[in-house]
Amino acid sequence: DQQVKQNSPSLSVQEGRISILNCDYTNSMFDYFLWYKKYPAEGPTFLISISSIKDKNEDGRFTVFLNKSAKHLSLHIVPSQPGDSAVYFCAARGPTGNQFYFGTGTSLTVIP
Amino acid sequence: DTGVSQDPRHKITKRGQNVTFRCDPISEHNRLYWYRQTLGQGPEFLTYFQNEAQLEKSRLLSDRFSAERPKGSFSTLEIQRTEQGDSAMYLCASSLGGHQETQYFGPGTRLLVL
Repeated sequence: DQQVKQNSPSLSVQEGRISILNCDYTNSMFDYFLWYKKYPAEGPTFLISISSIKDKNEDGRFTVFLNKSAKHLSLHIVPSQPGDSAVYFCAARGPTGNQFYFGTGTSLTVIP
Repeated sequence: DTGVSQDPRHKITKRGQNVTFRCDPISEHNRLYWYRQTLGQGPEFLTYFQNEAQLEKSRLLSDRFSAERPKGSFSTLEIQRTEQGDSAMYLCASSLGGHQETQYFGPGTRLLVL
């Protein structure tokens, strides 16, 4: 059973515009959420995270929003740059604190 | 390079053979994770070590899979009697733990079972 879902396999955005990547989860016991970026032939790279006690976390061009009631989080990238083109995974930490559940990824293409 | 390293990067084997992968975490990291990733999927948790102790294993981890971290530093993941369904990318990650834990991933070992 997929506890973390990314329903959009791909997204294309013009350079300079906002990219919004979405993620839904099913387990209300998840307490910490992360976004990773992955380039081909590399492992995932940490991007930004948010604790379940917050609803927003911002780091430069990247902002993560958490809506606990909807069990939904989103990653906003603004302005988008061609170098942002990659696969983005959201992940959630389970209640034991030792397991992380990943979504299936969204491939972002930023068009120059 | 002080990141997470994995060896080998690629492995091709025949069905029924045993394979072993190695992960060298970031030196001060006490937590180490193994994940498996197949095409079109995200990383799937396999197992977790706190120092040398294996504290959690996925229910998906069959008894053909075994992992060790003998001195709390590097780790090995062995797959015995490989099957074609084992073909995947095997990722290792390490971290310092904590409430706002950040996992650092290695480049992965891509396994192809013929």
